[in-house]
Amino acid sequence: AQSVTQLGSHVSVSEGALVLLRCNYSSSVPPYLFWYVQYPNQGLQLLLKYTSAATLVKGINGFEAEFKKSETSFHLTKPSAHMSDAAEYFCAVTLGYGGSQGNLIFGKGTKLSVKP
Amino acid sequence: NAGVTQTPKFQVLKTGQSMTLQCAQDMNHEYMSWYRQDPGMGLRLIHYSVGAGITDQGEVPNGYNVSRSTTEDFPLRLLSAAPSQTSVYFCASSYSNRAPDTQYFGPGTRLTVL
Repeated sequence: AQSVTQLGSHVSVSEGALVLLRCNYSSSVPPYLFWYVQYPNQGLQLLLKYTSAATLVKGINGFEAEFKKSETSFHLTKPSAHMSDAAEYFCAVTLGYGGSQGNLIFGKGTKLSVKP
Repeated sequence: NAGVTQTPKFQVLKTGQSMTLQCAQDMNHEYMSWYRQDPGMGLRLIHYSVGAGITDQGEVPNGYNVSRSTTEDFPLRLLSAAPSQTSVYFCASSYSNRAPDTQYFGPGTRLTVL
């Protein structure tokens, strides 16, 4: 069964600094991978997704993620943090086969704080 | 499009009470799902549906029932509320779960069981 591990439940960066949020997956076959963002008291919003078309995926708000099969990773980065990036970020995986093999499996989340 | 809507936004129940959390989508999505979010646990799948009349259990289904009589609606029923069901509940939908379709989430229902 597939799973996702997010390293670091809390990450704090200064405004303007690099943002790096880590996600490692476990899957016996190439999966589809997603990053979602949750702002306080809101639902989840898709940042970006990997669908095997390209290993470097660009998303909204300047975020991007690189799929590395050899490292089973899909880390999320942003070159320069903004105060508005403070939120909780979730990595998720699915095989996309339908039925129970098509459900999203979420990591436990990483809360990003941005210091002025 | 309203997207995915959930009602109510907040609810307080006493142990043993029952209630229904409503979820509706206006995007003609086949796939709908319910998650609960607890601190440090991420989102865990409760039940899901791949189309009207078809539902199945997710990771944490105990204490919850669902039905899908129409494409648009996917209510979640708590049969006899317990304090362990205090959580934030999210409904989501997508065209299908047979491809990397984006799931769209509702704003959530914050439930407290006393």
